[in-house]
Amino acid sequence: QKEVEQNSGPLSVPEGAIASLNCTYSDRGSQSFFWYRQYSGKSPELIMFIYSNGDKEDGRFTAQLNKASQYVSLLIRDSQPSDSATYLCAVKPPNNDMRFGAGTRLTVKP
Amino acid sequence: DADVTQTPRNRITKTGKRIMLECSQTKGHDRMYWYRQDPGLGLRLIYYSFDVKDINKGEISDGYSVSRQAQAKFSLSLESAIPNQTALYFCATSDSRAPGRSNQPQHFGDGTRLSIL
Repeated sequence: QKEVEQNSGPLSVPEGAIASLNCTYSDRGSQSFFWYRQYSGKSPELIMFIYSNGDKEDGRFTAQLNKASQYVSLLIRDSQPSDSATYLCAVKPPNNDMRFGAGTRLTVKP
Repeated sequence: DADVTQTPRNRITKTGKRIMLECSQTKGHDRMYWYRQDPGLGLRLIYYSFDVKDINKGEISDGYSVSRQAQAKFSLSLESAIPNQTALYFCATSDSRAPGRSNQPQHFGDGTRLSIL
C-alpha cells in the first residue's frame, strides 16, 4: 500500500463546476496535510494546508480532513481553465519526512 | 528573482558521467531537500539537510550524494550517471523556526530536467 494515494485522473470538469480531488494516507499518526498545484513542466506550488479535522476555506479552495477515515480532499469551486494542473497531496507523518502522492491531473474545459 | 534557484535548468549527458546539480536559496530557511519526480511516481525524497552539519538519506539515496556548503546552498551529485536517473529534480526548502506547524510546508525551486543517454 502506498503511503499517500491519489487517483491519477485525468479528472475533467466543465468551467464553473466544482472539482473534487481526493487523497488517502496510511500513517494514522499523521498530523499535517498539504495540497500543491503543479502546472506542466513547473514546480509544485503550495495552495492549502490543513491540520485539524473539518473544513478549511481559502477563496475558491476548500480542504477537508477526516483523520478517522485517513482521508483528505480538496474542493475547487467555480473551476476555471487556469485551474487545469496536477494536484499533489502531501502528508507529514510523525517522525518521518513529507510523503507525496503521485498527483491527480485536473482538466477544466471551457 | 526566484527564492529557490536551481542550476542548470536542463542537462543532457552520457552514462558514466559525473553530474552536479546546484541549489541556492535566499529565503533564509534552514532545511533543504532534494527530490526527483518521475511520471506516475510523484515526488520521491533523495536527501535532506536540517543544517550545514546535518545530512540525511531519503527514500532513494542510492547513486546520489549531497553537499551542504552553506545554509543557503545544497548540491546534489550523481557520481556515475545511469539512464534510469533521467528525471525532473527539485530542490525544496522549509523553515523549522517558523511558529507551530507553519514550519512544515516546503517551497520548491523551478527544477532541473536531467536526461542521461
